[in-house]
Amino acid sequence: KAGVTQTPRYLIKTRGQQVTLSCSPISGHRSVSWYQQTPGQGLQFLFEYFSETQRNKGNFPGRFSGRQFSNSRSEMNVSTLELGDSALYLCASRLGTSQETQYFGPGTRLLVL
Amino acid sequence: GESVGLHLPTLSVQEGDNSIINCAYSNSASDYFIWYKQESGKGPQFIIDIRSNMDKRQGQRVTVLLNKTVKHLSLQIAATQPGDSAVYFCADYSQGAQKLVFGQGTRLTINP
Repeated sequence: KAGVTQTPRYLIKTRGQQVTLSCSPISGHRSVSWYQQTPGQGLQFLFEYFSETQRNKGNFPGRFSGRQFSNSRSEMNVSTLELGDSALYLCASRLGTSQETQYFGPGTRLLVL
Repeated sequence: GESVGLHLPTLSVQEGDNSIINCAYSNSASDYFIWYKQESGKGPQFIIDIRSNMDKRQGQRVTVLLNKTVKHLSLQIAATQPGDSAVYFCADYSQGAQKLVFGQGTRLTINP
């Protein structure tokens, strides 16, 4: 079974731009979570989607948003990019919200100049 | 607030020795714990998990110990190999919060 896939793997943007990242979960997994990883803050939870609905949200500004499609694929959008948004953005999937174990994708490395 | 932390940011061991990575958590409501391994340029990889009603769980070359009294978690890696070099994260999960909270990570380096 294929793992979690994320596209693109690398991205360079400038301040003020917006970016959309994509995640395809493991086949059969209906829950998708997004995390931001930086050297200073570590892994921080952004949000989780299940059945196209946001179920949980971390402490990030409204510039960070996401959505999930009927096939469980998810996208994450960051608007008005700031230098501090440079990070590795990780997507993780799990079967459903009653299963705790999440499986991560390789991440999208975003650099904001 | 809840937090999951690691005692040591770096750990260096000789190839063939056993490694022990420690983790402290503060959320007494956490009922599930996971260890992840992250190699350079990759996403975190699931290693082993343990539920709060267990004290010990063993996998292939890895053992996780949970001490709920002192809110401490450890990952033991037997006969460490060069491929074990990575950053190891512990994470806790509670049904109430419905999300994983990660520690800062420990970088494990294997010396030949």
